[in-house]
Order: sequence, then structure tokens, then C-alpha cells
Amino acid sequence: DTGVSQDPRHKITKRGQNVTFRCDPISEHNRLYWYRQTLGQGPEFLTYFQNEAQLEKSRLLSDRFSAERPKGSFSTLEIQRTEQGDSAMYLCASSLVLAYNEQFFGPGTRLTVL
Amino acid sequence: AQRVTQPEKLLSVFKGAPVELKCNYSYSGSPELFWYVQYSRQRLQLLLRHISRESIKGFTADLNKGETSFHLKKPFAQEEDSAMYYCARPGEGGSEKLVFGKGTKLTVNP
Repeated sequence: DTGVSQDPRHKITKRGQNVTFRCDPISEHNRLYWYRQTLGQGPEFLTYFQNEAQLEKSRLLSDRFSAERPKGSFSTLEIQRTEQGDSAMYLCASSLVLAYNEQFFGPGTRLTVL
Repeated sequence: AQRVTQPEKLLSVFKGAPVELKCNYSYSGSPELFWYVQYSRQRLQLLLRHISRESIKGFTADLNKGETSFHLKKPFAQEEDSAMYYCARPGEGGSEKLVFGKGTKLTVNP
């Protein structure tokens, strides 16, 4: 499968714990995006990278959230001191620079914070 | 803020009936709008974009600037069209992110 992959697919954690998610984009895509989706809502933008540079972060992204793409390939999203309100599906997407509006999505990581 | 609004959370039609999923936008300038679809147990994927004026899987969407709408239409719905449909636009100020509506769940009954 050459699509976007995410790991893990499911994560259950206790409030206050840190979690880290990984996203592997389509190999030739230099743009990588993170979104969050809660029940009954559309995906909500968190941040995006072009290669290793983080170009935009949502104002909704608290400082407990951090994302990296150190070598311009895979990316990680870390949530520190998780809260119950962080429970959501975390989606990763990638695209080519010249076709940003066609974003290819991964299967998502479902986070449950107890 | 520039938004896309999908007024219907749920839409149910019978197979062979026409279907229209509504999307309204508030936008200044020339809007760019898209429809994304998520079939059961599959990933979110692009269905079509207004700029290409294409028909995908029998769906079309026309940008109506007067009504600020970008409704998705299909003349004869099929059971395999059952899915979540999201209208989306780019972020403001040339941002590369996508801003999604809340989605409409379409169910096509046999």
C-alpha cells in the first residue's frame, strides 16, 4: 500500500499521560497536514509542513501539542498531559506542493483519554 | 470568518432518486471549493473540485456565486453512494489548509 499510513490506529490512555502518533506520507509528497476530527464534526486543521518546515499552526493548538517532521519524510504529533477533551480521531494527510487542494488522507489514529 | 456550511446532517433517499447535498459558503473574492467523501471504513478522499468542472461517479457541483452555494448533485442515486460528504475550502489568506463543513451523511435505501 503506497498511501498515507498512521500508527497506531487506536490509542487508549489515561488523563495526564503523553502520547505520540506517527504519520508516513506518500513518498513524493512534500506537504503533510494534521487534522483532528470529533464526533459530528468535519476535520479541523491542526498544523502543516512543507518538507521539514512547519508553515502553519492552528490557534486552537495548545502548547501541549507539538508536531515535527525532522527529515521531511514522516511526522510525529505529540500530546502532552492529555485531557479528556483530546479524545478524537487524528488524521494525517499529504499532498504535492502544486496540488495542495487534493490532500490524500491516512486512516487516522483514534485517541481515547480516560 | 469565511465558512462553509452544510445545513443537513442526515439525508436519506431511495435508489434511483435524485440527490442534492447542500453547501453554502461565506467568502470574499473568488472561492475555491471542494467536495470530499468518506465511504464506510475507508479514508477521506477528494470527490471533486469546482475549478475542474468535472463529473465524478455521476456527481456534479456547480458554483453559484449569486446564492453562494456549491451543492453536490446526482440525478440517480445508487446504494454505493451512501457515505459522509464534506464540503471544504482553503484557509484564508492563501493558507494551504482545508476548512471543512460538518458533513452530511447520505443514506441511499434500496
